Amino acid sequence: DTAVSQTPKYLVTQMGNDKSIKCEQNLGHDTMYWYKQDSKKFLKIMFSYNNKELIINETVPNRFSPKSPDKAHLNLHINSLELGDSAVYFCASSQEREDTQYFGPGTRLTVL
Amino acid sequence: AQSVTQLGSHVSVSEGALVLLRCNYSSSVPPYLFWYVQYPNQGLQLLLKYTTGATLVKGINGFEAEFKKSETSFHLTKPSAHMSDAAEYFCAVVNTGGFKTIFGAGTRLFVKA
Repeated sequence: DTAVSQTPKYLVTQMGNDKSIKCEQNLGHDTMYWYKQDSKKFLKIMFSYNNKELIINETVPNRFSPKSPDKAHLNLHINSLELGDSAVYFCASSQEREDTQYFGPGTRLTVL
Repeated sequence: AQSVTQLGSHVSVSEGALVLLRCNYSSSVPPYLFWYVQYPNQGLQLLLKYTTGATLVKGINGFEAEFKKSETSFHLTKPSAHMSDAAEYFCAVVNTGGFKTIFGAGTRLFVKA
């Protein structure tokens, strides 16, 4: 049983397109996150939800919009994709904000 | 504000040698500290964490770390490196009652045969 799953694993698309990444966790956690990892492996928090409420919204272009339909799901929609959006996007979850985070396998987004 | 500094973006050791990955943090309140490992093409997974209590923390795969408040450090060690330890290692800090986990820039560990 995968604890944190993401789909798709790979996403190749053209500039200007709109795409979504889905995340689901079956750990019963209250908090979920989206991170962006660049080519140098630097990990940057983008968003965090706690019990479906947005609690962290870092300096991210408003082309990125998270949506949490329930505690177990956190999706990321990206409008008007740009070359600089190419990265690996990780979803994670934790029971409390200061707890261990459990990461998904990542979605490698390539914008051409 | 919290921050994490990992000294050395790349560390190379021989198989069987000591592994030492350095992490220093800044925090205005007692922190929780974590080491995560990322194998190629995978997500991060927890190696070990310090919350309260014993300052020497043991984790998976023979790794351990010691919380030294006076030095604001949380260095990761393993007595004898294996080829399978080659990966990216991230130190992270969050304040107790905290809002956000801050990750270091990562240290890539290479293990030579």
